[in-house]
Amino acid sequence: DVVMTQTPLSLSVTPGQPASISCKSSQSLLHSDGKTYLYWYLQKPGQSPQVLIYEVSSRFSGVPDRFSGSGSGTDFTLKISRVEAEDVGVYYCMQGIYLPHTFGQGTKLEIK
Amino acid sequence: EVQLVESGGGLVQPGGSLRLSCVASGFTFRNYWMSWVRQAPGKGLEWVASIKVDGSVTNYVDTVRGRFTTSRDNARNSLFLQMNSLRAGDTAVYYCTRVDGFGFYVKWGQGTLVTVSS
Repeated sequence: DVVMTQTPLSLSVTPGQPASISCKSSQSLLHSDGKTYLYWYLQKPGQSPQVLIYEVSSRFSGVPDRFSGSGSGTDFTLKISRVEAEDVGVYYCMQGIYLPHTFGQGTKLEIK
Repeated sequence: EVQLVESGGGLVQPGGSLRLSCVASGFTFRNYWMSWVRQAPGKGLEWVASIKVDGSVTNYVDTVRGRFTTSRDNARNSLFLQMNSLRAGDTAVYYCTRVDGFGFYVKWGQGTLVTVSS
């Protein structure tokens, strides 16, 4: 199985400050179709997960532009340019190219 | 509005069975692969199973293969997860998800809690 490793596992950020989460996969997530199937999901407290970023860097509809994704191959990053209170929750990266689809351990974002 | 509503969770003894259901609305159910993702209490997310649009292809994580079976009824816009030989490690909230691409889980249900305990 592809192992997804996130760092850090927790973040405490002052509102208005940036935040960054790293995700590394044990295998390249580049598909033969040229796309890289790496996603970022956010699970807010008490809610179901929601997609933020798909295919490494595309923001899903309605996701604020303070969220951005980057990376290639096996190394990926989610950045929040200016953290807001509503961003609290657990962030997961996930690979969708190999079965079983696998998630990172999750990164818990808290507000200072 | 797209909605996925799971039901069927509950408390079951080890070795027992449970059948989860997910009713979809607001989109053409028969056009989408569907998946189940679970989350053990206080833990992360784990993909469990997926099923093709017509039910002809199913995939499972190794830990449930042979014990769980996913199926669908496109006429009733419904997805099912039959869980047999349940173990304590299967205790989790089970989410029904719509698959919009490789691993692209755009829509999630609210989840249903399965507790396996004596």
